[in-house]
Amino acid sequence: GAVVSQHPSRVICKSGTSVKIECRSLDFQATTMFWYRQFPKQSLMLMATSNEGSKATYEQGVEKDKFLINHASLTLSTLTVTSAHPEDSSFYICSASGQGPYYGYTFGSGTRLTVV
Amino acid sequence: DQQVKQNSPSLSVQEGRISILNCDYTNSMFDYFLWYKKYPAEGPTFLISISSIKDKNEDGRFTVFLNKSAKHLSLHIVPSQPGDSAVYFCAARGFNDYKLSFGAGTTVTVRA
Repeated sequence: GAVVSQHPSRVICKSGTSVKIECRSLDFQATTMFWYRQFPKQSLMLMATSNEGSKATYEQGVEKDKFLINHASLTLSTLTVTSAHPEDSSFYICSASGQGPYYGYTFGSGTRLTVV
Repeated sequence: DQQVKQNSPSLSVQEGRISILNCDYTNSMFDYFLWYKKYPAEGPTFLISISSIKDKNEDGRFTVFLNKSAKHLSLHIVPSQPGDSAVYFCAARGFNDYKLSFGAGTTVTVRA
């Protein structure tokens, strides 16, 4: 079945530094990738949607200069949290979608980001 | 504005009994609904879905019911097993819209 690999699973970084999270579709071409953020005991909040080869579409309230998304190939999307601050600490999850009405929505295993 | 709501944050059920999880939505344009299961520090895994043209979909121990007029769906798990202990998310999307809206989740604990 469809597999999405997300890396790293856990990262601790210092305030002011940047962190890159990778999301790879291993056995299908992900035409669309979604990036979510989850706060403790809360829902998954969509941050942005990216289509291969084009600029990401950010949800209202998400700073595009802070959360840089690149979807340069059909199997890889990256989320870079720039100049991270403690309030950026969260659980970030990617989801990949291929062709068809459902095919996709395959989630990565998530990345726990802690900014100290 | 939360368009998908799961009003019960937690549910405790005895092993072998039925678990019923509820989900309400406000957006009448939603036409496809999904349930996901999530363990801590992992991504959600797909369980079952239902299209708005149906009112019931069954897959093994999991059954989803949809009441469009009430904008309500429910997930039934029977019999409940210890491995079912997890957080369950309800999600919905509109026609030709690939973005999913998620509920806040319900934590299910299955007691032995």
